[in-house]
Amino acid sequence: NAGVMQNPRHLVRRRGQEARLRCSPMKGHSHVYWYRQLPEEGLKFMVYLQKENIIDESGMPKERFSAEFPKEGPSILRIQQVVRGDSAAYFCASSPTFTGGQSEAFFGQGTRLTVV
Amino acid sequence: GNSVTQMEGPVTLSEEAFLTINCTYTATGYPSLFWYVQYPGEGLQLLLKATKADDKGSNKGFEATYRKETTSFHLEKGSVQVSDSAVYFCALATNTGFQKLVFGTGTRLLVSP
Repeated sequence: NAGVMQNPRHLVRRRGQEARLRCSPMKGHSHVYWYRQLPEEGLKFMVYLQKENIIDESGMPKERFSAEFPKEGPSILRIQQVVRGDSAAYFCASSPTFTGGQSEAFFGQGTRLTVV
Repeated sequence: GNSVTQMEGPVTLSEEAFLTINCTYTATGYPSLFWYVQYPGEGLQLLLKATKADDKGSNKGFEATYRKETTSFHLEKGSVQVSDSAVYFCALATNTGFQKLVFGTGTRLLVSP
């Protein structure tokens, strides 16, 4: 069973370009989370999605950032008109349908975005 | 709001030394508590967890006990190895099921032979 797959692992964009980060959850997982890790900081929650639905986007910047998890295909985190401050590691996690209590989230290896 | 505070690193130890990484939290309700480990260039891996007061999570020689009275979840290991060198993150989740994790800033551990 493959783990959470993120691609690309490294992404370089010039200021003003768009960045698209992809995340394929573990097989059988229907919940996806995106986190951002700024240099020398912990991870910060961005958004929680289920198939075709955004459940909680309280951590998403109000502008330029969007996320989707379509019925088919990976989850996409999209950053429009990137700025230097967007440079960070973006991690995706997935978890299975809950059966009561807490279920574990499994993390991908992350995409390291560098804006030049 | 919910928050996690960890001791600042780096923590530098010799092999076979005793490890403690302090973690305290602030949360409404009764959170679940976690320790994650991040090896260089890798994603986060769940190391251990505890879901209620006085629970002890353990894995690979690491332990942490959920202390509600001191709102703490300190990570300990009796004898560290060079391969334990990594960044350790303490985290909490307050929503049942929904894994919206609140992370500390991480503590880098460096173990020398």
